[in-house]
Amino acid sequence: AQSVTQLGSHVSVSEGALVLLRCNYSSSVPPYLFWYVQYPNQGLQLLLKYTTGATLVKGINGFEAEFKKSETSFHLTKPSAHMSDAAEYFCAVSEGGGNKLTFGTGTQLKVEL
Amino acid sequence: GAVVSQHPSWVICKSGTSVKIECRSLDFQATTMFWYRQFPKQSLMLMATSNEGSKATYEQGVEKDKFLINHASLTLSTLTVTSAHPEDSSFYICSARVTDTDTQYFGPGTRLTVL
Repeated sequence: AQSVTQLGSHVSVSEGALVLLRCNYSSSVPPYLFWYVQYPNQGLQLLLKYTTGATLVKGINGFEAEFKKSETSFHLTKPSAHMSDAAEYFCAVSEGGGNKLTFGTGTQLKVEL
Repeated sequence: GAVVSQHPSWVICKSGTSVKIECRSLDFQATTMFWYRQFPKQSLMLMATSNEGSKATYEQGVEKDKFLINHASLTLSTLTVTSAHPEDSSFYICSARVTDTDTQYFGPGTRLTVL
């Protein structure tokens, strides 16, 4: 069975500071990993994904994530936070392409002036 | 590209009535669509997987007779909440997978409130 753990349900950073949102997963097969962002009362928007190949993946809005198999992690980073980054972020795993997603519990990112 | 719409965006109904929610892929064909439920301040929980032209596959604990899913075309899936009760109040989100790819694209969600 697959699962996702997101450490820190709330993260607060200053505008311009580094954003680091943590995600660890478990999967019995090589995982497909995703980060989604959700703004209030909206659906989810795909930020980036890892399937195979290069372990450092770049996404939209300046976000990137690195797949580390030895650490079973897929942490999301952004060098410089912007006020518009304030939202809920979900890490998700699927066992193979096209299969059902299992989501983490989400991390609420707050960006302060 | 890869836009998914849901209708309605919000609905309020009386207890005991049925509500239908539509999920459409606007610019691509989706062999598979997924229905999720999200409670306030919580993550998304998969309810069922909807495959075009066949019966939906429900997750454990989800009542298939209460949450009727129909995926009649490659661009439309519907979720009907039958005999709705206040505990069914939630945010329902659908997603659609581009055929032969690994990515799900999500709709904007439907807020259901049952009085």
